[in-house]
Amino acid sequence: DTEVTQTPKHLVMGMTNKKSLKCEQHMGHRAMYWYKQKAKKPPELMFVYSYEKLSINESVPSRFSPECPNSSLLNLHLHALQPEDSALYLCASSQGPSATGELFFGEGSRLTVL
Amino acid sequence: AQSVTQLDSQVPVFEEAPVELRCNYSSSVSVYLFWYVQYPNQGLQLLLKYLSGSTLVESINGFEAEFNKSQTSFHLRKPSVHISDTAEYFCAVTRTDNYGQNFVFGPGTRLSVLP
Repeated sequence: DTEVTQTPKHLVMGMTNKKSLKCEQHMGHRAMYWYKQKAKKPPELMFVYSYEKLSINESVPSRFSPECPNSSLLNLHLHALQPEDSALYLCASSQGPSATGELFFGEGSRLTVL
Repeated sequence: AQSVTQLDSQVPVFEEAPVELRCNYSSSVSVYLFWYVQYPNQGLQLLLKYLSGSTLVESINGFEAEFNKSQTSFHLRKPSVHISDTAEYFCAVTRTDNYGQNFVFGPGTRLSVLP
């Protein structure tokens, strides 16, 4: 059983919709991540939150807006997406902003933009 | 910047045969090395990692990987595969300095174990 929970598992939205992806972990981890994964490709880093502060933004378009309300929760707000944004969005966490830390992934939210 | 190469995009192998999945990296700084596995419709799970010490690291399900600094490689091996090993395998590196949060993943190798 994964200890990083993502909701919803599947999301279909139109280009004018506003939706959010949610991620939760109760392992006491202080670093949380959003990755985007296209089919048959590796995960691509989007955002990193370290101690609830945004520490890395990999030049992601502003139609993706991350939020970290507290140390256990991570949201990804979606607005005016394009069909090419359809992908599996993976949330991950690690104990802290350390290279030795294992990343714990959720099962992902599969997003389809029509 | 770091980069990771996985030369084989697909590896078909018969059940109980040995397998090696290749991983090479390039980096101007010291790195830590990881193998992650992704089963269909799931997230990634850590298989094993090399941080320091013995260059041979093992996982609980029979996989092992050897860090070779001179060849900048971290190949994954298993002496006898099972059907349940069918999955996508990603090699990854992170820097050992303060920017270590940024895991760089290789393109992945799809291991298909055939009966």
